[in-house]
This record gives sequence, structure tokens and C-alpha cells, in this order.
Amino acid sequence: AQSVTQLDSHVSVSEGTPVLLRCNYSSSYSPSLFWYVQHPNKGLQLLLKYTSAATLVKGINGFEAEFKKSETSFHLTKPSAHMSDAAEYFCVVSASGTYKYIFGTGTRLKVLA
Amino acid sequence: DVKVTQSSRYLVKRTGEKVFLECVQDMDHENMFWYRQDPGLGLRLIYFSYDVKMKEKGDIPEGYSVSREKKERFSLILESASTNQTSMYLCASSPLPTGARDEQFFGPGTRLTVL
Repeated sequence: AQSVTQLDSHVSVSEGTPVLLRCNYSSSYSPSLFWYVQHPNKGLQLLLKYTSAATLVKGINGFEAEFKKSETSFHLTKPSAHMSDAAEYFCVVSASGTYKYIFGTGTRLKVLA
Repeated sequence: DVKVTQSSRYLVKRTGEKVFLECVQDMDHENMFWYRQDPGLGLRLIYFSYDVKMKEKGDIPEGYSVSREKKERFSLILESASTNQTSMYLCASSPLPTGARDEQFFGPGTRLTVL
């Protein structure tokens, strides 16, 4: 069975400081992992994805994530937060051969001026 | 650019009404999905379709049905709307015929209120 846990429901950072959004997963198979962002009243947009290539994945808007199999983690980071990063972020896991994507419960990022 | 469009951004309906939510994608994707999004619960899959006229139940199909008569269009139907179906509904599509290794493309969502 697959599952995904986002460890923080809310994260606040000051503009210009680093961002860390934590995600742990559980999967019996070799997983694919995704991070999506949702701005207020908008649909979800893909930030980045891991599909068994390089373990450090770079995404859009300066975000990146590292796949750590030993820790079953896929944390999202950004070196310097911008006001426009304020949004809700979802970690998603899926398994090869299935159609199902399992969504975390989301982390709401607040960026303080 | 892939576009997934949903027929309404906001919808208000009365208890017991039959409600249709429409989703159209323009990239010839095989897979289409309907999710429900509630605060603190993330996205939960209602139904999935991998081809025209083909559908599979997701995690919370009760009270819902779907229709896929054309590849580009996937409709969610609330047979008899109830107040506990008040939620944000998101449609998504993805290009692979099987598996879930590729990204999904999401519509903007429909916020449904059932009074």
C-alpha cells in the first residue's frame, strides 16, 4: 500500500530565507513522486517530479527536491523565499503499473515581508 | 499548453438536485480524473477514466457517477446533491494509457455549495 505524509500543515518563513517543506512516503514499489503547488482559487500546477532518474530533482521557480530512499523522504526546498511562493503545496506518490496518485494533506506556506 | 477547463468556477445548488460538472481537455489524453478537495484532507479520488466509456471507482465514489462519451470530455454527476457534497471539485488529465509515472494536468476547480 502507498501513503504519503506531509509533516507540517502550515509553514511560515520570512522573505529571502530558505524554505523546507517535508514529505515522507511509503510504497511497496518503485515510486514516482511529485510536488504540486496550488495558489488561491487556482488548480494545481506541477513543480517537479521524480521518476527514478537523478535523485536531486530541479523544478520551476527555483524549487528542488531530493529523493532519499533510505529515509523514504522527498522534501521540497528553495534557497530564498519570495512573496509569490505563498500557496499550498502537495506531495504526491504513485506506483508503476497503477493509475492511482496518492495526495498528501497539503502544507500551506506563508511568506512574511 | 495543455488546457483542462471546467464548466463552472462556482456553483450553488439545492439539496436533492441533480448536478452536472463538466471537464474538457484539449491534449488528447487517455486518462481523466475527478477529485474532491477538502481542507485538511488533501485530494481524494472520486472516479477515474482511462478510455472512452471506461471508468473505475476511486476512493470515495458514493453519491457520484461519471460519464465519458468522448475522449476529451469527462462529466461528474451528483445524482441527488446533499450538503456533505459541498466541496471543491478538481478535474485532471494525464497522457499515459496506463500507470501513473507522468504528471497530471489540473483544471481550475469548481467550488460547489449545496444548500
